[in-house]
Amino acid sequence: GDSVTQMEGPVTLSEEAFLTINCTYTATGYPSLFWYVQYPGEGLQLLLKATKADDKGSNKGFEATYRKETTSFHLEKGSVQVSDSAVYFCALTNTNAGKSTFGDGTTLTVKP
Amino acid sequence: ETGVTQTPRHLVMGMTNKKSLKCEQHLGHNAMYWYKQSAKKPLELMFVYSLEERVENNSVPSRFSPECPNSSHLFLHLHTLQPEDSALYLCASSQGHEQYFGPGTRLTVT
Repeated sequence: GDSVTQMEGPVTLSEEAFLTINCTYTATGYPSLFWYVQYPGEGLQLLLKATKADDKGSNKGFEATYRKETTSFHLEKGSVQVSDSAVYFCALTNTNAGKSTFGDGTTLTVKP
Repeated sequence: ETGVTQTPRHLVMGMTNKKSLKCEQHLGHNAMYWYKQSAKKPLELMFVYSLEERVENNSVPSRFSPECPNSSHLFLHLHTLQPEDSALYLCASSQGHEQYFGPGTRLTVT
């Protein structure tokens, strides 16, 4: 079956540091890939997405590139802020089955 | 603002109570989901409804009973819960490949 493996947390960074959260996947067919973010006390929100190989999703300074050859979708941000502290989930939707699979989530804490 | 609302936001119930969680989506989507999110555990998909038909039930105990009366509303009826059922219950909807989540109901079973 489909699976998503993301970097274990928690991750703690200082403000303005560079962020990478690794995500790799296993899926049949051609999945769409997503990063969701969950701020404290809230539900998950879509952060960015990519629907085909070599697509780059971006939003709020975050980026991720769909790499089919390495089955990866790593999340990056050049300079994190305290307000980026949240839990980040990598996910895929298998377009054949219409089913979504989520990673376990990575908790990011950014300190001033 | 996600277009998916959940009520109540917080619920405390005893093991013998019966309560219901409500989810409403204002996005015109045709699929709705219930997830359970427990501390230090992965997100667990509980139920999936597509066009008001249940298409997935991931071995959820019968003390959880979903209901989807129309494409905009989804309920989760709860009865005879256990303390380990305490968690954040998230509702989501979708039309394409991405899902839109509500803020969740924080459930505590005493």
